[in-house]
Amino acid sequence: GQQLNQSPQSMFIQEGEDVSMNCTSSSIFNTWLWYKQDPGEGPVLLIALYKAGELTSNGRLTAQFGTTRKDSFLNISASIPSDVGIYFCAGQSPRGSQGNLIFGKGTKLSVKP
Amino acid sequence: NAGVTQTPKFQVLKTGQSMTLQCAQDMNHNSMYWYRQDPGMGLRLIYYSASEGTTDKGEVPNGYNVSRLNKREFSLRLESAAPSQTSVYFCASSEKRWGEQYFGPGTRLTVT
Repeated sequence: GQQLNQSPQSMFIQEGEDVSMNCTSSSIFNTWLWYKQDPGEGPVLLIALYKAGELTSNGRLTAQFGTTRKDSFLNISASIPSDVGIYFCAGQSPRGSQGNLIFGKGTKLSVKP
Repeated sequence: NAGVTQTPKFQVLKTGQSMTLQCAQDMNHNSMYWYRQDPGMGLRLIYYSASEGTTDKGEVPNGYNVSRLNKREFSLRLESAAPSQTSVYFCASSEKRWGEQYFGPGTRLTVT
């Protein structure tokens, strides 16, 4: 089945640093979604991308839909302690296929205050 | 507006017992989903309901059944629980079949 490779698996950063993570796939997707999950909670949608090349921001978060439609990137600028959590990418296949969301395995972000 | 709600929040079962996980959404969404989340495995789709009255299998449906009771509610049933079903279960909903999904807070299930 389809798989997403999300990297890095985990990262430790100093407060104030910028963070980058990405997801790649062997298949093309029509939609890329980025979620954040806090401990003991459900994933919360951060950014949705629907068009190749699209660049979308949500506060300090910026995500891009790769031009090949096989990858996506999430950047967090000037990280703060509340950015700690697990970030998941999810890709959705074009209509006509089963079209279910495929999730990456997550990037665990830890911030040193 | 509560979004997606799930009950119970925690549950412990013995092998062979049955139970139903409840999910409801108040966003008037057409599609609903059940996922399980295991360490190192990410989120995997168990079953989904693209619209009221329809249900379909996802990636890992074995050992589960679902019911789309009405537009708001989508339940997941374990008929005979097994230790391999120890997991965190999330319900999600979306307005359209292809689109943004919104998740509930999860049910943490342990089968001993």
